[in-house]
Amino acid sequence: GDSVTQMEGPVTLSEEAFLTINCTYTATGYPSLFWYVQYPGEGLQLLLKATKADDKGSNKGFEATYRKETTSFHLEKGSVQVSDSAVYFCALSDRTGNQFYFGTGTSLTVIP
Amino acid sequence: DTEVTQTPKHLVMGMTNKKSLKCEQHMGHRAMYWYKQKAKKPPELMFVYSYEKLSINESVPSRFSPECPNSSLLNLHLHALQPEDSALYLCASSHDRGRDIYEQYFGPGTRLTVT
Repeated sequence: GDSVTQMEGPVTLSEEAFLTINCTYTATGYPSLFWYVQYPGEGLQLLLKATKADDKGSNKGFEATYRKETTSFHLEKGSVQVSDSAVYFCALSDRTGNQFYFGTGTSLTVIP
Repeated sequence: DTEVTQTPKHLVMGMTNKKSLKCEQHMGHRAMYWYKQKAKKPPELMFVYSYEKLSINESVPSRFSPECPNSSLLNLHLHALQPEDSALYLCASSHDRGRDIYEQYFGPGTRLTVT
């Protein structure tokens, strides 16, 4: 079945460091891919998405490229801020659009 | 407006109580979802409603009973819960137009504690 494998955390970075959170997927067909962010005590917020191969999703300085050849959707940010501290979930939507498959989540802490 | 609202924000209930969680969206979405999230884990899908009809029930115990009164509202009725049901309950919504795939928008959740 479809699945998402996400890099284990927690990740701790200094402010202004470069961030990469790895995400790979297994799916039949051509899924859509998403990154969600969850701040402490809150629900999930859509951070960015990509719906077909080679699409690049971007938002708030974060970006991720849908790589079909490597079945990956890695999240990157060039310079993290303390306010980026949160849990990040990679997700895949199957062809019906009703089922989301979430990765295990990666906790990011950015220290000043 | 991409807001999904949920009430209450926090709920404490005993194992013999009956309570309900409410979710509302005004984005014109026709698919709505209930998820359960335990600490430090990803959300787990419980139910999916599509055009106000239950389309997916992920083998959820009958002490959880969903209801979709109209296209904007989704309820989750709780009865005779167990302490292990304590979790964050998240509601989400999305478009549902056949073959296209749309992102889900999540509410802030209800933090449920069963005593």
